[in-house]
Amino acid sequence: QAHLLQSGTEVKKPGASVQVSCKASGYPFIDHYIRWVRQAPGQGPEWMAWISPRTGDTRSAPKFQGRVTLTRDTSSSMVYMDLSRLTSDDTAVYYCARQSEDTAMDVWGQGTTVIVTS
Amino acid sequence: VLTQTPLSSPVTLGQPASISCRSDRSLVHIDGNTYLSWLHQRPGQPPRLLISKISTRFSGVPDRFSGSGTGTDFTLNISRVEAEDVGVYYCTQATFFPLTFGGGTKVEIK
Repeated sequence: QAHLLQSGTEVKKPGASVQVSCKASGYPFIDHYIRWVRQAPGQGPEWMAWISPRTGDTRSAPKFQGRVTLTRDTSSSMVYMDLSRLTSDDTAVYYCARQSEDTAMDVWGQGTTVIVTS
Repeated sequence: VLTQTPLSSPVTLGQPASISCRSDRSLVHIDGNTYLSWLHQRPGQPPRLLISKISTRFSGVPDRFSGSGTGTDFTLNISRVEAEDVGVYYCTQATFFPLTFGGGTKVEIK
């Protein structure tokens, strides 16, 4: 069945960048958008951006424009999320999620914890 | 903006629970669909999809979960709460950019 596997915990200093990967399996990779959602400690989810694995087109929420970059590698069914100029406010669990045909997020990765600390 | 009520819902096992999600504008897309879905998140786990497009239960979701509503007002009902249903429930809309989430409703057992 469809599955998304994310990379492991990252600890970064303020001002640095982080890359989180998301490997898709169990379904045709190019057929579903991938969304990125983050969740700060004790907070609700926050949508960041999406990517079309078929075309590579991306779109990010206004809050993250200029700081988030999504890329994909169709040969390995991987999606990458790069977030730059990190601050302590970026400490959160980052999730990739598959977008279903009716735009819902129907398959989720296990989450990647990113800690930003000096 | 999606506003969920209540913030917290203590329920007795076997009793029903209801969660409201209200939007400040109609969530009907120009294509006629309403892209309102419900997610459930247990502590330490990623969210999981329960319902999409107001009322379509996702594969494997028990039929005690049901969604309803139109336009700006939506409801998630649990007909008989079970212990595994504890956690936080979020509504989310994908009709308008950017995708947004409600503030969440915590369901706990009395």
